[in-house]
Amino acid sequence: AQKVTQAQTEISVVEKEDVTLDCVYETRDTTYYLFWYKQPPSGELVFLIRRNSFDEQNEISGRYSWNFQKSTSSFNFTITASQVVDSAVYFCALIRSGTSYGKLTFGQGTILTVHP
Amino acid sequence: DAGVTQSPTHLIKTRGQQVTLRCSPKSGHDTVSWYQQALGQGPQFIFQYYEEEERQRGNFPDRFSGHQFPNYSSELNVNALLLGDSALYLCASSLAGANTGELFFGEGSRLTVL
Repeated sequence: AQKVTQAQTEISVVEKEDVTLDCVYETRDTTYYLFWYKQPPSGELVFLIRRNSFDEQNEISGRYSWNFQKSTSSFNFTITASQVVDSAVYFCALIRSGTSYGKLTFGQGTILTVHP
Repeated sequence: DAGVTQSPTHLIKTRGQQVTLRCSPKSGHDTVSWYQQALGQGPQFIFQYYEEEERQRGNFPDRFSGHQFPNYSSELNVNALLLGDSALYLCASSLAGANTGELFFGEGSRLTVL
């Protein structure tokens, strides 16, 4: 069975602070994908990043960066110099790769509030 | 290029009623998945449709059923509604042959059961 744990239920920061959202996962699959999604109040899940289990290189995209460590089964997400527009619920998710009929397993989500 | 569209956006039902939610996938996609997101929770996988057949199902009772049409659009039906069925229902589309696991989500249908 797959499991994704986001231990931080809510995080509150002041604008321009850096913030890291933690994600720990469990899977018996040898190949899989990890994702981060952002959910604004509108409800739509906005795709942020996909990481293949074979690729442990960290990735940076603007103010966003991701740290994937297979040894600790973690896929953490850092926002540098946070902005009010970053306020949303963030979900980490996992899917087995190599199949057309997979399901995403989501964590419980972390509510991020960035205060001006 | 239209993304995933869902209807209705909001609806209110009473216990025991039946509801049908609709989803049109992103252009070019052939696979539709449905997720239930209760308030304060992460989305939970309900089922997935490909080639008009249910391919995989999550831990949901038979009151939850679905259908996929030849144009790849899909419906989610829930019978004998319970208060606990109140949630945001998200539809996601993907391309089966891509095997990338990437899903595109709609904005969801928010169901309230009174």
